Amino acid sequence: GQNIDQPTEMTATEGAIVQINCTYQTSGFNGLFWYQQHAGEAPTFLSYNVLDGLEEKGRFSSFLSRSKGYSYLLLKELQMKDSASYLCAVPSGGYNKLIFGAGTRLAVHP
Amino acid sequence: DTAVSQTPKYLVTQMGNDKSIKCEQNLGHDTMYWYKQDSKKFLKIMFSYNNKELIINETVPNRFSPKSPDKAHLNLHINSLELGDSAVYFCASSQGTVPYEQYFGPGTRLTVT
Repeated sequence: GQNIDQPTEMTATEGAIVQINCTYQTSGFNGLFWYQQHAGEAPTFLSYNVLDGLEEKGRFSSFLSRSKGYSYLLLKELQMKDSASYLCAVPSGGYNKLIFGAGTRLAVHP
Repeated sequence: DTAVSQTPKYLVTQMGNDKSIKCEQNLGHDTMYWYKQDSKKFLKIMFSYNNKELIINETVPNRFSPKSPDKAHLNLHINSLELGDSAVYFCASSQGTVPYEQYFGPGTRLTVT
């Protein structure tokens, strides 16, 4: 089966850097997704990592270590609009069936 | 242009009623999904269709019945609604069945009283 752990809540200051961690256990690894979800809105895709290492995309970067079952999302130059939930997810079962973590709610303060 | 749309956005109904939620995508994708997000914000897959064929059918009460008339549409019918069915239901779509970005609709907030 799959198990995904993320911190429930984090707070950070505008302009700072924050790292949101995700650990996973899965039978058969097929990549790891990060989604952003603002309150009352739909999840939107941020990143997909299959290989180890850091992938940078503007202010957001995502890191994966398959041997450690670990990923993190790095948000730089935080803005108030980055206040949202960040969902870690892994595909399962041979199809694009995503198993989501409970999400990390990030609050950015001035 | 809306990529994945759902109707209705809000649905308030009484226990025991039957209701449907509709989803449409104009992205040309061949795979569609239904997710349920409960009050604790936990997002869980329910069903998936690929080219009108059911490929994912999680442990969901059989009061829930999905239908895909074509690959651009996926509906969810719920019979005999219960209080525990109150949640936000999201439709999503993607291209193919390999791990790939999924595009989510705006969600339908269902409240059962």
